[in-house]
Amino acid sequence: DAGITQSPRYKITETGRQVTLMCHQTWSHSYMFWYRQDLGHGLRLIYYSAAADITDKGEVPDGYVVSRSKTENFPLTLESATRSQTSVYFCASSESSGGSEPQHFGDGTRLSIL
Amino acid sequence: LAKTTQPISMDSYEGQEVNITCSHNNIATNDYITWYQQFPSQGPRFIIQGYKTKVTNEVASLFIPADRKSSTLSLPRVSLSDTAVYYCLVGPPIMDSNYQLIWGAGTKLIIKP
Repeated sequence: DAGITQSPRYKITETGRQVTLMCHQTWSHSYMFWYRQDLGHGLRLIYYSAAADITDKGEVPDGYVVSRSKTENFPLTLESATRSQTSVYFCASSESSGGSEPQHFGDGTRLSIL
Repeated sequence: LAKTTQPISMDSYEGQEVNITCSHNNIATNDYITWYQQFPSQGPRFIIQGYKTKVTNEVASLFIPADRKSSTLSLPRVSLSDTAVYYCLVGPPIMDSNYQLIWGAGTKLIIKP
């Protein structure tokens, strides 16, 4: 079945460590997105990508790095994790960068930074 | 940037029609309006999308007035399984650094028996 898969589903790490969250989609959508979801803030866009090797910043990019060497994968890296990055992270894909096409979401990664 | 405002929570009963309104006073001319549903421990799921007037699909209707400064998601005859958080999203057809997607903070809908 076509879909979008995030791994791991849960992760606990310590301040200062590097952690990478994985995202894989099977729809062959051009666009992929990373969001964080925190209570009271809804979804906030971290980074998005229009194609392999093309990425752009969203609303809250500081402290995060992304790459997209293959169309189907879009990993998100926290190079030196901080407690403020404790959140639920969602990856999404779409046929559009904007609001004209639906976004398809994974089930999220719950990240806790101690 | 358009800012979206929606009620934090709503209650209703099984079998009732539920209307959730999102305010987006600064919506741009070419912005689309999209609604998503989210259950606990899952990602948001697309419900319906519109640009102007009324859109209906098998699960919901979306009403957009002529000035497009608000939109109302209508769920007919809700059931317990409609208990979820509902998000309003406003955004241009193509996103860039100046025109980004604006998500509402979500409305927690609780359906009672």
